[in-house]
Amino acid sequence: GENVEQHPSTLSVQEGDSAVIKCTYSDSASNYFPWYKQELGKRPQLIIDIRSNVGEKKDQRIAVTLNKTAKHFSLHITETQPEDSAVYFCAASQGAQKLVFGQGTRLTINP
Amino acid sequence: GAVVSQHPSRVICKSGTSVKIECRSLDFQATTMFWYRQFPKKSLMLMATSNEGSKATYEQGVEKDKFLINHASLTLSTLTVTSAHPEDSSFYICSARDYGRGNTEAFFGQGTRLTVV
Repeated sequence: GENVEQHPSTLSVQEGDSAVIKCTYSDSASNYFPWYKQELGKRPQLIIDIRSNVGEKKDQRIAVTLNKTAKHFSLHITETQPEDSAVYFCAASQGAQKLVFGQGTRLTINP
Repeated sequence: GAVVSQHPSRVICKSGTSVKIECRSLDFQATTMFWYRQFPKKSLMLMATSNEGSKATYEQGVEKDKFLINHASLTLSTLTVTSAHPEDSSFYICSARDYGRGNTEAFFGQGTRLTVV
């Protein structure tokens, strides 16, 4: 089955700097890769997703890149703000089948 | 986006009792729902895939007799934790995808914080 590895587990950056979180997946059949932000005790919130037919997607300060050959995808957050502090999860699935999550990254933005 | 509602949000029960958690899709029909478990500071681990009108598909290592799943309608799936013990204390969360609109985005319920005392 699918296995998703996520790094780093914790990340601390200065406000205004960029943050990058990386994930690798094992199943070449996976073609949908969402990123979620989760605050303590809350449900995961989708922040961006990418499908395997594109290599990059951007939404304001957030971007995701996908390298299908290497089976890895990354989340890029630019001009970080204190409210970006949260736990971020990557995930992978084949179409609309079950999502397999990475281990999570605790992002802290230091003022 | 589509809405998935989970109830209750928080429950405390005594060891040996059973607890039922409901997951409803409010504005779409969900033939498939997914149940996850999340321990503190850990990731979401898929427990089972709930299929409307048929048996759930459990992930390896998940006891189907302990975590009973019923998906009797297109908008409701339930997870019952039977004979709960303190080690079952966790955050349980469901999700569903709106296949009717060809949408691969997963929508999550609010989650249920279960504490077994």
